Amino acid sequence: GAVVSQHPSRVICKSGTSVKIECRSLDFQATTMFWYRQFPKKSLMLMATSNEGSKATYEQGVEKDKFLINHASLTLSTLTVTSAHPEDSSFYICSAIAFRIGKGQPQHFGDGTRLSIL
Amino acid sequence: QKEVEQDPGPLSVPEGAIVSLNCTYSNSAFQYFMWYRQYSRKGPELLMYTYSSGNKEDGRFTAQVDKSSKYISLFIRDSQPSDSATYLCAMSESPRTGNQFYFGTGTSLTVIP
Repeated sequence: GAVVSQHPSRVICKSGTSVKIECRSLDFQATTMFWYRQFPKKSLMLMATSNEGSKATYEQGVEKDKFLINHASLTLSTLTVTSAHPEDSSFYICSAIAFRIGKGQPQHFGDGTRLSIL
Repeated sequence: QKEVEQDPGPLSVPEGAIVSLNCTYSNSAFQYFMWYRQYSRKGPELLMYTYSSGNKEDGRFTAQVDKSSKYISLFIRDSQPSDSATYLCAMSESPRTGNQFYFGTGTSLTVIP
């Protein structure tokens, strides 16, 4: 089945550090990748939608300069949390859709990155 | 009104019970329906994916879609402690209208040995 790999799984760093999270589709080409944030016991909060080769579309209230998204290829998208602060501590999850012409496809999720800013 | 409504639970059942999880929605344009299972500190795992109305069965899991009532269900037969997780429903329209997905808030399930 479709596999999405997310790395790293856990990050602990000091305030002011920039953190990069990678999301890779291992066995399929992903035209679209999504980045979510999830708070404890809460559902997924969509941050941005990333299409290969174009700029990401950010949801309302998500700072573009704070959360930099790059989707350089059909198998890789990265999220960089710039100058992270304690309030950015959260569980970040990516997902990807396999490219199929004219057919709806489900999202396949990575295992998430737990980010803790001290 | 939210696009997708899901009872957050928590739901607690004894091992071997049949579990019924449900979501309702308001957008009649939804055509694709998904159920995900999420264990603590992990990403959601796709369990079932259905198109339009009807039933789909995979092992102990059965997904039902009733578009006339805007209601979807996931049934788990012979529930096991390993089924203890949060279950998320999700849905989307035709891919021609974009890749926007709508998620329920998730139902927390505990299966007691």
